[in-house]
Formats: sequence, structure tokens, C-alpha cells
Amino acid sequence: DAGITQSPRYKITETGRQVTLMCHQTWSHSYMFWYRQDLGHGLRLIYYSAAADITDKGEVPDGYVVSRSKTENFPLTLESATRSQTSVYFCASSDPGLARGDTQYFGPGTRLTVL
Amino acid sequence: GDSVTQMEGPVTLSEEAFLTINCTYTATGYPSLFWYVQYPGEGLQLLLKATKADDKGSNKGFEATYRKETTSFHLEKGSVQVSDSAVYFCALTNTNAGKSTFGDGTTLTVKP
Repeated sequence: DAGITQSPRYKITETGRQVTLMCHQTWSHSYMFWYRQDLGHGLRLIYYSAAADITDKGEVPDGYVVSRSKTENFPLTLESATRSQTSVYFCASSDPGLARGDTQYFGPGTRLTVL
Repeated sequence: GDSVTQMEGPVTLSEEAFLTINCTYTATGYPSLFWYVQYPGEGLQLLLKATKADDKGSNKGFEATYRKETTSFHLEKGSVQVSDSAVYFCALTNTNAGKSTFGDGTTLTVKP
């Protein structure tokens, strides 16, 4: 299917475990983003990527790792999950080279609970 | 750095009421301005945008005008429906940055 997908949609894990959230887009957009959404904090940028093999920290990167070996995939890993990382995670993509390039397109989100 | 401040919620309106959600921004240069909407259980989706001063974005009966003199991009709709109940985010994207800056979101509930 065309678009941007995230998996899993729901995840429950325990403190200290490693968790990887997947994001896949079919548009070949150059930019990809990871956000977390918490009540009272709106959207906060965790990491972003301008192209394959180029990543940079956002506002709240601590405790997270990203990679981008292929343009279409941008996985987010929590190396040792903590309860404070319980949140809804959104992946997004955009392509500034296009006519509407600065619009971001969001995935459906992953609801992560860390016990 | 860039920032977006939007009206705190929640906002509760009756069906067919007039809606205004205020949004002001701070940015260098000439950013593009956006309103995104998030329906329950979904990701954000673009509602409307404006790319330069005095541009008006519109979609689904919603409108917002890019006011550079007041650094504002207020969202309006003349007659809201129950189906408009959602969280609305104001955002900006500055040139060559790729990244967007989002407001904290305003929750709108429309009652029949």
C-alpha cells in the first residue's frame, strides 16, 4: 500500500528491554522524522533524517537510537526502555524538493507502554 | 529559535457555532504555515497551509490567513460540525530546514 506505515501499532514491554519501532514510506521522500506525543507536551521531535545515512538529533533524543540505511525505512530503537518512554510515537516524512515539499505526512502512530 | 503558540484548550462548541483557534509564531525569514488535524486514534494530517504573507489557506470550510504583521495564522470555521471534533495543531516550516515546529495542539469538541 502506498503511504507511510508504522509497526507495531501497539506494544507493551518491560523496563530495560530493547524495543524497535518500524516506519516505512513508499513515496521516496528524503526527510523522515520521529516524534513522541504526550499529554501536555504536544509533539516533540526525537530524531530526523535528511537522507539515507544522514540522521540528526531533535529535541528529546536521549534513550533513542535511529538508523536509515534505506530511504524508505527509518526504525527507532529504545535501547533500554524506561517508563518515561511510555508514549504515542509518530513517524512522518516530507520532501522539500517537491512542490508541496514542506508538508509532513504522518503515519498512524505506535502506542508504546513500558511497564 | 522558531516557536509556535496556539490557544489553549480544550474548546467545546455547539454544532453550527463559529470557531476560532488562535495561533501566533516566532521565526526568522519567511516560513510556511500549516494547520494539521488529528482525529482520535490517527496520525496528523494536513488541513491547510499558506506559504507567504497574506495567503489564505482553506479546506473543508476551514480558513486561515498568513498575517506577517501580527505573526499570526488563526484558524476559523463559520459553522462547526460534530465531525470536526479533533485536535488541531498549528505549525511552521522554515526554509531549507526540513523540520517543522508544532504548537501544543488544541482539542475541539463539538456537541450536537
